[in-house]
Amino acid sequence: ETGVTQTPRHLVMGMTNKKSLKCEQHLGHNAMYWYKQSAKKPLELMFVYSLEERVENNSVPSRFSPECPNSSHLFLHLHTLQPEDSALYLCASSQDKGQSRYGYTFGSGTRLTVV
Amino acid sequence: LAKTTQPISMDSYEGQEVNITCSHNNIATNDYITWYQQFPSQGPRFIIQGYKTKVTNEVASLFIPADRKSSTLSLPRVSLSDTAVYYCLVAATASGTYKYIFGTGTRLKVLA
Repeated sequence: ETGVTQTPRHLVMGMTNKKSLKCEQHLGHNAMYWYKQSAKKPLELMFVYSLEERVENNSVPSRFSPECPNSSHLFLHLHTLQPEDSALYLCASSQDKGQSRYGYTFGSGTRLTVV
Repeated sequence: LAKTTQPISMDSYEGQEVNITCSHNNIATNDYITWYQQFPSQGPRFIIQGYKTKVTNEVASLFIPADRKSSTLSLPRVSLSDTAVYYCLVAATASGTYKYIFGTGTRLKVLA
């Protein structure tokens, strides 16, 4: 248990479905992140939130929609996904935006399969 | 943008010391160097962090030369359970903002 909890752990969805990924951190951190990790590729930063405000969106397609209702919760809403969106989606948090002392704390991820 | 460069893979035997070097020529002046470990289907886990010289904790040591353009993660007496991907992470500055970009990492395989 890292202090960052992601649900669900596994998700299979059709291309016309709408689903959401949830992330919750119990560390009192101010910044939260979504990363995508495709098979044997580096982690790709998708979104950055600092104090509930989106501060970075790395050219992510609009079929991915993040939401940060408070500093402890982060969602990734998914709709009309493509098979190439199948990947491990990781949530992370840090004390402040950027690389603060002790770096990022990651959740265990959601393994998403789009069929 | 600055990027990190690490060997793609390394093999070692149980009980040996493993050193993984990361090159980060354009590291930001005030940035930490942080190393992470990742097992399959899990998120990366913080191992060690430093700014300069040497840092040691219960699992690893981190050596950083004076120019900070590289760093070396040292794992003493590795075991099979140390088989994982290891990433170094530094900031890459662009237009005054900091971006933290993971590289491809080093896939360490520990053999019996």
